[in-house]
Amino acid sequence: KQEVTQIPAALSVPEGENLVLNCSFTDSAIYNLQWFRQDPGKGLTSLLLIQSSQREQTSGRLNASLDKSSGRSTLYIAASQPGDSATYLCADHTGNQFYFGTGTSLTVIP
Amino acid sequence: GAGVSQSPRYKVAKRGQDVALRCDPISGHVSLFWYQQALGQGPEFLTYFQNEAQLDKSGLPSDRFFAERPEGSVSTLKIQRTQQEDSAVYLCASSLASGGRSIFGPGTRLTVL
Repeated sequence: KQEVTQIPAALSVPEGENLVLNCSFTDSAIYNLQWFRQDPGKGLTSLLLIQSSQREQTSGRLNASLDKSSGRSTLYIAASQPGDSATYLCADHTGNQFYFGTGTSLTVIP
Repeated sequence: GAGVSQSPRYKVAKRGQDVALRCDPISGHVSLFWYQQALGQGPEFLTYFQNEAQLDKSGLPSDRFFAERPEGSVSTLKIQRTQQEDSAVYLCASSLASGGRSIFGPGTRLTVL
């Protein structure tokens, strides 16, 4: 069974800092990897999707990379803002399902 | 529709009751997934549909859980004889095709007393 791990579990940074969230997975035979944002009591919002043949994807201040050989993905957030505070989940698509990590809870302090 | 919708948003059930949770995916989306998310955890896969065919139900925790998508659009997750451990948020997601970007609904928070 695919295992997805996210570190750190929680992160608190001052506004304006750049930060990196890490995701690792055990089975490299993935179709794609997605990063999601989840606000308290809400569903998941897809941020970035990286196909297995791709190395990275960018959207605004967000950049996600994928290294299948090492089983790792990172989400880079530039110039963090208080509105970025949320839980960030990575999920890899293997077989018929997505395997999720337990998330990184991010707090950006004004 | 504009997004994936789920109803009800909140459900409180007494232990032993049956519940039915509804998911309306984005029109035209072929793939539909159900996930269970316990407090403080990441979502756990329950089942997957491609159109009306249930291709994977390996994540359903017991035979009390049943899902259907009879016309390849709306899906219902039914839980019979609910137990306290069934309390969780149930998330539905759809995508245009297998392997595509998944769009999640807001979830149904089920509390079993």
